[in-house]
Amino acid sequence: GQNIDQPTEMTATEGAIVQINCTYQTSGFNGLFWYQQHAGEAPTFLSYNVLDGLEEKGRFSSFLSRSKGYSYLLLKELQMKDSASYLCAVISKAAGNKLTFGGGTRVLVKP
Amino acid sequence: EAGVVQSPRYKIIEKKQPVAFWCNPISGHNTLYWYRQNLGQGPELLIRYENEEAVDDSQLPKDRFSAERLKGVDSTLKIQPAELGDSAVYLCATTGSSTDTQYFGPGTRLTVL
Repeated sequence: GQNIDQPTEMTATEGAIVQINCTYQTSGFNGLFWYQQHAGEAPTFLSYNVLDGLEEKGRFSSFLSRSKGYSYLLLKELQMKDSASYLCAVISKAAGNKLTFGGGTRVLVKP
Repeated sequence: EAGVVQSPRYKIIEKKQPVAFWCNPISGHNTLYWYRQNLGQGPELLIRYENEEAVDDSQLPKDRFSAERLKGVDSTLKIQPAELGDSAVYLCATTGSSTDTQYFGPGTRLTVL
């Protein structure tokens, strides 16, 4: 089976930095995704990591350590519009390339 | 390019009634997924199609849920009869052959009374 853990909720101030951690246990790891989901809307793709290291994309960066089963999503220069849920999801070859989601981390950005 | 289209966006029904959801994928995307998302949780896979073939329906409650993708493009997901616990958002996602990234539709929010 697969297990994905991420914090339920985080609060941060506008302009600050927030780091959302995700730990996973899976067999046949084949990549990790981060999605952003605003309330009542569809998840939208943010990043994909399959190799160890940091992927930077504007204000958002994602890091992966396969040996530790660990990833984080870093949000810099927070804006009010970044208030959303952030979903960590792992794709597993052993499960036929099935994507399994964590419960999501709700980030609240305060002025 | 148009994204994944789903309809209806909202549906309210009484328990024991049937309900159907429709999904139109991004053009050229052969793989289609149906997920269920309960409030405050991540999406959970119900079924995955490769073209018209259901390649993973292990988590679809087959006593009341059914799905089809007859021509390998549009798909429908049906619940009959609906139960109170089926209240959730039903998301459709699709992906093309050259990527593992799934693109989601806006979802159908189902409320069963």
